[in-house]
Amino acid sequence: GQSLEQPSEVTAVEGAIVQINCTYQTSGFYGLSWYQQHDGGAPTFLSYNALDGLEETGRFSSFLSRSDSYGYLLLQELQMKDSASYFCAVRGGQNFVFGPGTRLSVLP
Amino acid sequence: DTEVTQTPKHLVMGMTNKKSLKCEQHMGHRAMYWYKQKAKKPPELMFVYSYEKLSINESVPSRFSPECPNSSLLNLHLHALQPEDSALYLCASSQGLLDRVYGELFFGEGSRLTVL
Repeated sequence: GQSLEQPSEVTAVEGAIVQINCTYQTSGFYGLSWYQQHDGGAPTFLSYNALDGLEETGRFSSFLSRSDSYGYLLLQELQMKDSASYFCAVRGGQNFVFGPGTRLSVLP
Repeated sequence: DTEVTQTPKHLVMGMTNKKSLKCEQHMGHRAMYWYKQKAKKPPELMFVYSYEKLSINESVPSRFSPECPNSSLLNLHLHALQPEDSALYLCASSQGLLDRVYGELFFGEGSRLTVL
C-alpha cells in the first residue's frame, strides 16, 4: 500500500516563497505529482517528478529524492490566487494515491 | 482537446433511485479513473480502467458499478446509495499506463452527488 504525509496548513504573505513537503511510503513507486485544488473546483496538475532532482515550471518548482522518499513543491512570488489546497500524489503503476493535502493561505 | 467532461454537474437522488454519472475524454488516453472526494479530504481512488478493462477496484461497495463502453467513455452507475455516499465524484484520464514518464492526471470538473 501507500501512505503520504503533508503539513495540513501553511500561511504566507503575498510575494513570499513557500515550500510544501511530502513524505511517502510506498511499494512500486513510479513518480510524485503535485495538484492544486481551489474550493469547489477540480484538482489541476502542477508538476511531476519521476527522477531525482528539481523540475521548474514558471513560479512553481518540484523536487524529488527517491532515496529519502521525500519531495516538495516550491511556490515563489506568491499571489492571492495561490490560496488553495495542494496535494502530492504517488504514482504506482496505474494508480495515483493522493496525500492528505496542504491548505495554503496567502495573506495580503 | 485536453478536456475531460463530466455530466451531470450536480445530482440529487434518493436511496432507492438508480442514476448514472458520465465521463468523456477525446485525448486518446487509455487509462480512466473514478475518484471520490469528501469535503476537505483528498481524492480517494475507486476504480481504474486500462484499455477499457477494469484493472483496479479499491474494494468499492457493489452499489457503485463502473462501466467503460469504449475508450472515450466512462460511466458510474449508482444504485441504493446511502447518505454517506454524498461527495464529489471525479473522473480522470492519463496517457501513460506503464511508462513512468507520464505523471499527469487530467480531471473533469466533477459531479457533486447528494443522497437524501
